[in-house]
Amino acid sequence: SQTIHQWPATLVQPVGSPLSLECTVEGTSNPNLYWYRQAAGRGLQLLFYSVGIGQISSEVPQNLSASRPQDRQFILSSKKLLLSDSGFYLCAWSRGSATSYNEQFFGPGTRLTVL
Amino acid sequence: GIQVEQSPPDLILQEGANSTLRCNFSDSVNNLQWFHQNPWGQLINLFYIPSGTKQNGRLSATTVATERYSLLYISSSQTTDSGVYFCAVPRALSSYKLIFGSGTRLLVRP
Repeated sequence: SQTIHQWPATLVQPVGSPLSLECTVEGTSNPNLYWYRQAAGRGLQLLFYSVGIGQISSEVPQNLSASRPQDRQFILSSKKLLLSDSGFYLCAWSRGSATSYNEQFFGPGTRLTVL
Repeated sequence: GIQVEQSPPDLILQEGANSTLRCNFSDSVNNLQWFHQNPWGQLINLFYIPSGTKQNGRLSATTVATERYSLLYISSSQTTDSGVYFCAVPRALSSYKLIFGSGTRLLVRP
């Protein structure tokens, strides 16, 4: 069966510091990978998605970037955090496809607080 | 783009009661997912239901794609059902990018 891991679970960072959140998926190959952000009390917003190694698409302009150095690893980064980057970050995976929808499954999330 | 609206925004139930949550979407969809976000933030897949009716224990879901809505039924609610329920649909018919509703926050009291 497939599992998805995220770490760290919680993170408190000062404004202006760098960020690196990691997501890994086990039990599948060539998945589509996604980063979402959830502001307090709100729905989820898609930030980045990837259909393959090195292929990253950004959904919204922002202070964050994503990378996919390995097939089942997805990293969310920032060089300098802003207060507005605070939120709950969720990674998700689905069976790989560049053109059609497959059911998405979510990781446990990372709660980021920028002070 | 497609809009997703959920109702009611908040719901308080006594343990053992039944409830119906609604998800309306503004355009044609061929996929829809229901999720439960527990108090720890974990998003749990409930149903992957582009059309028709599915049941899983005390929960069932019905999607009527032609009328652009989906319903989630919770029967004999338990305190562990508390949390936020989201529906989500792809942005377009061939898209894998999900658009989420704003959720229904459910509190089940013992």
